[in-house]
Amino acid sequence: QVQLQESGPGLVKPSETLSLTCTVSGDSIVSYYWSWIRQPAGKGLEWIGRIFTSGSTTYNPSLKSRVTMSVDTSKNQFSLSLSSVTAADTAVYYCARVKPGVYGGLDYWGRGTLVTVSS
Amino acid sequence: DIQMTQSPSSLSASVGDRVTITCRASQSISGYLNWYSQKPGKAPTLLIYAASSLQSEVPARFSGSGSGTDFTLTISSLQPEDFATYYCQQSHTTPRTFGQGTKVEIK
Repeated sequence: QVQLQESGPGLVKPSETLSLTCTVSGDSIVSYYWSWIRQPAGKGLEWIGRIFTSGSTTYNPSLKSRVTMSVDTSKNQFSLSLSSVTAADTAVYYCARVKPGVYGGLDYWGRGTLVTVSS
Repeated sequence: DIQMTQSPSSLSASVGDRVTITCRASQSISGYLNWYSQKPGKAPTLLIYAASSLQSEVPARFSGSGSGTDFTLTISSLQPEDFATYYCQQSHTTPRTFGQGTKVEIK
């Protein structure tokens, strides 16, 4: 059974960089796409972007100037950095696996981690 | 970006009811449509992918249909564990986008 676990600071100051890591267990991270999604309290889901294990990335244009994703296959982990954060970046952040195949879909998700942006 | 619009935003239903949720894309996405359910405080779970394919271990009372711009999620007989918020998501184009959600509540 594939399991994902997000980790990182739960509190980030405005203008600083949010950094999260997703650790995957139960399967190799290699040859899959991996995504980050966020959800502000009481609101809907926002796709942040995805990374392939080759390091190829696709970001949401609304966040592209502030987002960096990376992957470490030796640790079976991938990471998210979001710079210059504001209160609007306060949300639960999820990591997820893109289901193999043409049609996508996110078939395994982490439990999510709440990140609050506040001084 | 492709806009995804769900209707209704919320609904009240009883156990055993047939429930239908619709999702409309702002442009054609062929069959690149996924459905998720989410319970409070939990991560979403994939129910349907490719518009009509049932994800492994998802009960057969869930079904999806549609193509192009109009899609439907149907729960044939609502069970107590089905009270949740449901989201559609297009995987045709990046950025991937989600509908705003449909909350299914107990009548």
